Amino acid sequence: QVQLLQSAPGLVKPSQTLSVTCVISGDSVSSNSAAWNWIRQSPSRGLEWLGRTYYRSKWYNDYAVSMKGRMTINPDTSKNQFSLQLNSVTPEDTAVYYCARSGNGGVLVVWGQGTLVTVSS
Amino acid sequence: QSVLTQSPSASGTPGQRVTISCSGGISNIGTKTVNWYQQLPGTAPKLLIYTNNQRPSGVPDRFSGSKSGTSASLVISGLQSDDEADYYCATWDDRLNGPVFGGGTKLTVL
Repeated sequence: QVQLLQSAPGLVKPSQTLSVTCVISGDSVSSNSAAWNWIRQSPSRGLEWLGRTYYRSKWYNDYAVSMKGRMTINPDTSKNQFSLQLNSVTPEDTAVYYCARSGNGGVLVVWGQGTLVTVSS
Repeated sequence: QSVLTQSPSASGTPGQRVTISCSGGISNIGTKTVNWYQQLPGTAPKLLIYTNNQRPSGVPDRFSGSKSGTSASLVISGLQSDDEADYYCATWDDRLNGPVFGGGTKLTVL
């Protein structure tokens, strides 16, 4: 049974970098049949897919257009986890960030518990 | 503003049947399959229906989904108080090259 455990909530100052980690159990970040996603949820923007990483003989990353240039997803095979880094944050980036596993077809089958990140000075 | 459109709220009494709708366009629902998620208060979304009408193991058959053209529906039969939650539709969008979500429908069991 796949489980995803996310890092603790945090406070980030505007213009700094937001970082959230998702530890995988019951599967491998290098799986050839899974993708590892980041989604966020806020009252103003609802649920918003941010990007994903996956391995198909080599590593691929896809990012939402709105995140390109500001976001990086890094898989860590030694710790079986993946992380999100979002640069130059503003209060608009305040949200609950979720990691999720998807299979073929992009269905978000398993979700982490969520990490509240607040951007405030 | 969400890519997929859902009514913000729905309600019903225990035992009733409730329908939640979701509309999109050609680049998403019109050519892709639809998934539904249930989010109970304070928890992460949970997959409820995938590929238009398939239920993951453990989801009661009171929940059913369908799709027609650029719209999709989630039907909950035999409504129970535990069904009180937010429900989101989702699908892939070719224009945005990623999953997109509806704005969510808050279901109240009266």
